[in-house]
Amino acid sequence: EVQLVESGGGLVQPGGSLRLSCAASGFTLYSYCMHWVRQAPGQGLVWVSRICDDGTTTNYADSVKGRFTISGDNAKNTLYLQMNSLRAEDTAVYYCTRGSRGWRGMDFWGQGALVTVSS
Amino acid sequence: DIVMTQTPLSSPVTLGQPASISCRSSQSLVQSDDGNTHLSWFQQRPGQPPRLLIYKISNRFSGVPDRFTGSGAGTDFTLNISRVEAEDVGVYYCMHATQLPHTFGQGTRLEIK
Repeated sequence: EVQLVESGGGLVQPGGSLRLSCAASGFTLYSYCMHWVRQAPGQGLVWVSRICDDGTTTNYADSVKGRFTISGDNAKNTLYLQMNSLRAEDTAVYYCTRGSRGWRGMDFWGQGALVTVSS
Repeated sequence: DIVMTQTPLSSPVTLGQPASISCRSSQSLVQSDDGNTHLSWFQQRPGQPPRLLIYKISNRFSGVPDRFTGSGAGTDFTLNISRVEAEDVGVYYCMHATQLPHTFGQGTRLEIK
């Protein structure tokens, strides 16, 4: 059974840093693209970042480029999102999602981790 | 970026009646390299993460009831629910994966009358 479990969310001050983790089970992380998608309170879904090709290819939304870094640890089968220079507008639930195989998109989602950026 | 526009934004439906959600993209979603159209639909129940319902316009994901059907082509797509059940309450999103960034529609809130 595919499972994705996020952790590392919390309250952080503007300008601060936070690292989200996503522990994957039921499949091998490096065999799939993995994504982060976020959802601000009461708002819709926004794609944030993607990692593919065993970590050699990474992509970012313009709004986080240069501040966020996506990575994976194959030994731990865990995906990460390092978030630096956080802003109030980064406040959201962050979902880890698995990229599909055989077609483009996302199939399985984690429960999400809430990140609140506030002083 | 490709803009995804959903209508309606809210849909009150009577139990047992059909529901339909439209999704329009600002440009064709046909993938130039493989000819496929990577348009997906997600359901988000209250307090839950999104769940994949439909991929590549009309393919039902594992475990999705057959009352959910997707259709469309090019820039116009539709999610139909043949007979709405109480568990269908939530917000529905379309999403394209034709290029980066993948973008979502604003969401359509399905509620029971």
